[in-house]
Amino acid sequence: QKEVEQNSGPLSVPEGAIASLNCTYSDRVSQSFFWYRQYSGKSPELIMSIYSNGDKEDGRFTAQLNKASQYVSLLIRDSQPSDSATYLCAAQYSSASKIIFGSGTRLSIRP
Amino acid sequence: GAGVSQSPSNKVTEKGKDVELRCDPISGHTALYWYRQSLGQGLEFLIYFQGNSAPDKSGLPSDRFSAERTGGSVSTLTIQRTQQEDSAVYLCASSLWTSGGGEQFFGPGTRLTVL
Repeated sequence: QKEVEQNSGPLSVPEGAIASLNCTYSDRVSQSFFWYRQYSGKSPELIMSIYSNGDKEDGRFTAQLNKASQYVSLLIRDSQPSDSATYLCAAQYSSASKIIFGSGTRLSIRP
Repeated sequence: GAGVSQSPSNKVTEKGKDVELRCDPISGHTALYWYRQSLGQGLEFLIYFQGNSAPDKSGLPSDRFSAERTGGSVSTLTIQRTQQEDSAVYLCASSLWTSGGGEQFFGPGTRLTVL
């Protein structure tokens, strides 16, 4: 059973600090990885996708992928209260397969 | 419209009744997905469509659940003889298959309550 694992949290980070969210996956051949943000009572929205080993930066967000260690992480710099949400990690094992979502990490940014 | 739309936004039904949930994907998106999310829980995959065909129906919880997609666009998820455990938010998402399907855009969901 292919799985994506996340710490459910809550993860509490002071405003202005770096929030680090981690995710591990079980299948070595997985190809594509995604981070979604879900505010309470709302639908998930895509933040970033990453396909190659290394870092990918987009504004205050950096996704990091390490296929050898089978983990993907999301760093949020200069955390803001508006970043408080549940962050879902997702993996896709081939271009023809569905994506597998983790159960999400709840992030709380304290002022 | 610009985004994925779903209807109804809320549905309250009695146990044993059938319900139909509708999803209208983003124009041009060939892949369409249905998920279920119970309160405080993660996303539960139900089924996805590539065009009008469903390569993966593995997430449908029972034979009371079915889905179809016509014209490569609108999809309907039908739940027959609803049970209280079917109460959840049903989310639909669509994507361009050229992206591998992982970059999904979600609709606002249908909140189903079975009394």
